[in-house]
This record gives sequence, C-alpha cells and structure tokens, in this order.
Amino acid sequence: EAGVAQSPRYKIIEKRQSVAFWCNPISGHATLYWYQQILGQGPKLLIQFQNNGVVDDSQLPKDRFSAERLKGVDSTLKIQPAKLEDSAVYLCASSLDKWGQEYNEQFFGPGTRLTVL
Amino acid sequence: AQSVTQPDIHITVSEGASLELRCNYSYGATPYLFWYVQSPGQGLQLLLKYFSGDTLVQGIKGFEAEFKRSQSSFNLRKPSVHWSDAAEYFCAVEDFGNEKLTFGTGTRLTIIP
Repeated sequence: EAGVAQSPRYKIIEKRQSVAFWCNPISGHATLYWYQQILGQGPKLLIQFQNNGVVDDSQLPKDRFSAERLKGVDSTLKIQPAKLEDSAVYLCASSLDKWGQEYNEQFFGPGTRLTVL
Repeated sequence: AQSVTQPDIHITVSEGASLELRCNYSYGATPYLFWYVQSPGQGLQLLLKYFSGDTLVQGIKGFEAEFKRSQSSFNLRKPSVHWSDAAEYFCAVEDFGNEKLTFGTGTRLTIIP
C-alpha cells in the first residue's frame, strides 16, 4: 500500500514570495491533516479536513495560509506571502476515519522542508 | 488545554545499552497517549499507543512504554538499543475522540558504537 505522498520535498524561497505544497493521502483515507514542524519543536496541527470539508483550522494563520482539498482526495497548502518564521517542515497526514473504530491512526508523509530567506 | 513535556532534548546512549525517554503530560482526564519516531528525512511513524487497560504497552521495534497516572508520565523504554534507533522521538497526547494530536518538543537520540 502506498503511503502519504508529498511534493516538493524541499523548497527555498525569499520572503514575500508565495509557495504551495501538495499532498496525496493514502487511498480511501477520509481525514487529512496539515502540520507545521518548526526546527526544535514538535508538529503543530494547522488544519484538518474530513473529506473535502474543514473540521478544524483554528491554528491556521488565515491572513497568509490557505488550504483546500478538492474532491476529498489531494490537498494543497499555500502560503502567500511567506515570512521568515514560516521556515519549517510541513507534514501531511491521513487517517481512515472508520466508523466505530476506537482510534484511527494517522499516517504521515515525509514532509516538505521550506526555507524562507 | 492539554500539553506534553519531554524534558530531555538530546540523549546519547551506547549501542546495546538500555534506553528510557521521558514524557509528562497535562490533561484533565485519561488521555490517549502516543510515541512517534522520526528518522531523518522521514515522516513520523507510530511506535505505540495507550488508551486504557494494561498500563504497560508494547510497540514496534522492541519498544515499550508505561503509563503512570500518579506521575502523569508515559515513558518510553527499550532494553537494548541498536544503531538504527538513532532518530527523533515524540510523545503526543490526543483530546479524547477528536483525533487532534498535541506533540512534545521531541528527544533526539544518538547511538554511539
């Protein structure tokens, strides 16, 4: 079974530029998450989708970050304009969201490392 | 709100020695607790989880963790480490039922021959 795919793996941009990250979850996984992992910190949830609807985006800086999940499959996370403090690894995860299951494990992609200069 | 503390930023262990990584949590009820491992350039992989029941849980790669409610701890252990265990380890807690993970800051494990 293929895992969570993310691209690009690395991206270097200058501040005030825009950037987009792509995530393809595991086939059949209804729930998709985007996390931000700043160096020396644990991942922080930015946004959670269930199918193509947003469940939680309370920690997404909406003035510059946006995310969408068209057709409930792939997702794109965009930053516009980028700031120096956005330098981080952006992780995508997905889970099956099986009804009645005690826990739906999140499976993580390899991440996209963003450097903002 | 729940929080997770991993007091050790970096630990160095000799290959074959035992390992214990510390994790303390703050949560009003019994939380769901997790340990993840992140190797360089890799995503996070779930090592083990605790929901309820037996407080000693077994995971993959020979790891185990013990839930101690009185100490609000969920420490990760391995009796004998291998060079391939070198990685970053994250403890996490989940709000019951909503699948939102809160991670600690991680502990980087270095293995010396």
